[in-house]
Amino acid sequence: DVKVTQSSRYLVKRTGEKVFLECVQDMDHENMFWYRQDPGLGLRLIYFSYDVKMKEKGDIPEGYSVSREKKERFSLILESASTSQTSMYLCASSLFLKGYEQYFGPGTRLTVT
Amino acid sequence: KQEVTQIPAALSVPEGENLVLNCSFTDSAIYNLQWFRQDPGKGLTSLLLIQSSQREQTSGRLNASLDKSSGRSTLYIAASQPGDSATYLCAAPAGGTSYGKLTFGQGTILTVHP
Repeated sequence: DVKVTQSSRYLVKRTGEKVFLECVQDMDHENMFWYRQDPGLGLRLIYFSYDVKMKEKGDIPEGYSVSREKKERFSLILESASTSQTSMYLCASSLFLKGYEQYFGPGTRLTVT
Repeated sequence: KQEVTQIPAALSVPEGENLVLNCSFTDSAIYNLQWFRQDPGKGLTSLLLIQSSQREQTSGRLNASLDKSSGRSTLYIAASQPGDSATYLCAAPAGGTSYGKLTFGQGTILTVHP
């Protein structure tokens, strides 16, 4: 069964802290994605990765970075958290041979105070 | 750039009704289209993936159709139940060299009341 897990369901951090959000998939998918979801703005792509150590910016990469050292793990890093980054963060993965069907994790609700 | 629109934004129906959710996209050069369900505070659950070579895909009481030429997809839910209450999102490939990147609609919030 397809499984995407995220390190935390809820997270509270202070302004200026460095924040790490972890995502792990067990399906040998080559593509992984980080989105944020905000009321009225929908899902917006922050970064994606199509292979180990390969990454590309999405629509809203400012203030974020990513790391993919192993195929199954994709990390989102908030270099210096700000209140504007309070949001729901969703990770997803997909496989070309499965028609790029995306599978999502449960999400991390991040609050920056 | 791909744009995806979903109509209606919200829908409230009595239990047992059949209903249709609409999705339109601007770039018809797509290889597939995906429908998701999202419960409050949760991640997205994939419901149906329609490949561009297909016109329909069915799963239980759900049926999704795809018309690339008109840039439209519909999700049909038969005999709706209160447990179907959720937000339904459609997503189309973002275009270009996408590596499976998707563009999402804003979603339709469905409420099925007993």
